[in-house]
Amino acid sequence: EDKVVQSPLSLVVHEGDTVTLNCSYEVTNFRSLLWYKQEKKAPTFLFMLTSSGIEKKSGRLSSILDKKELFSILNITATQTGDSAIYLCAVVNSGYALNFGKGTSLLVTP
Amino acid sequence: GAGVSQSPSNKVTEKGKDVELRCDPISGHTALYWYRQSLGQGLEFLIYFQGNSAPDKSGLPSDRFSAERTGGSVSTLTIQRTQQEDSAVYLCASSPPRLAGGAYEQYFGPGTRLTVT
Repeated sequence: EDKVVQSPLSLVVHEGDTVTLNCSYEVTNFRSLLWYKQEKKAPTFLFMLTSSGIEKKSGRLSSILDKKELFSILNITATQTGDSAIYLCAVVNSGYALNFGKGTSLLVTP
Repeated sequence: GAGVSQSPSNKVTEKGKDVELRCDPISGHTALYWYRQSLGQGLEFLIYFQGNSAPDKSGLPSDRFSAERTGGSVSTLTIQRTQQEDSAVYLCASSPPRLAGGAYEQYFGPGTRLTVT
């Protein structure tokens, strides 16, 4: 059975800190790994990773995939209160559905 | 352009009643997905549409759940004889046509919060 595990489950940091969120997976016929940010209802797309070792970057957020060790990390530097959200990791196999982890709840305090 | 839209945003219904949830995908997106997010749970896949056909219904939790898509666009998720355990946020997502061996990101709507009393 496919499995996506995120850690930590929750995290509280101060503004300006750097955080690293983890996602490990066991999936047959891996195609891609995606990160989403969920603040209220709709998860918003952050990154899609398909190749190992190639960092994707958007502003203060970056992510990288290790297909040998079967994990990905999402880094957020110089955190702001607006970064407070649930960060979701999902994996796509040869099917079509996103297989989600349970998410990491991040709270950035002023 | 316009994103994925869903209606209603909130629905409160009595146990045993039927409900219909609607999803309008992004124009041109041929793939449409329904997910469910229950309190304390991750997002759970329900059903996938490619055009008007549903090649993967594996996530539908029971035969009380059904979905259809018409004109390769709007989709409706129907829950018959609702139960309290059906209370959740129902999210719809769409993605562009997927090339062989490729994968595309899915874009989510704001969801419908269903409460069964």
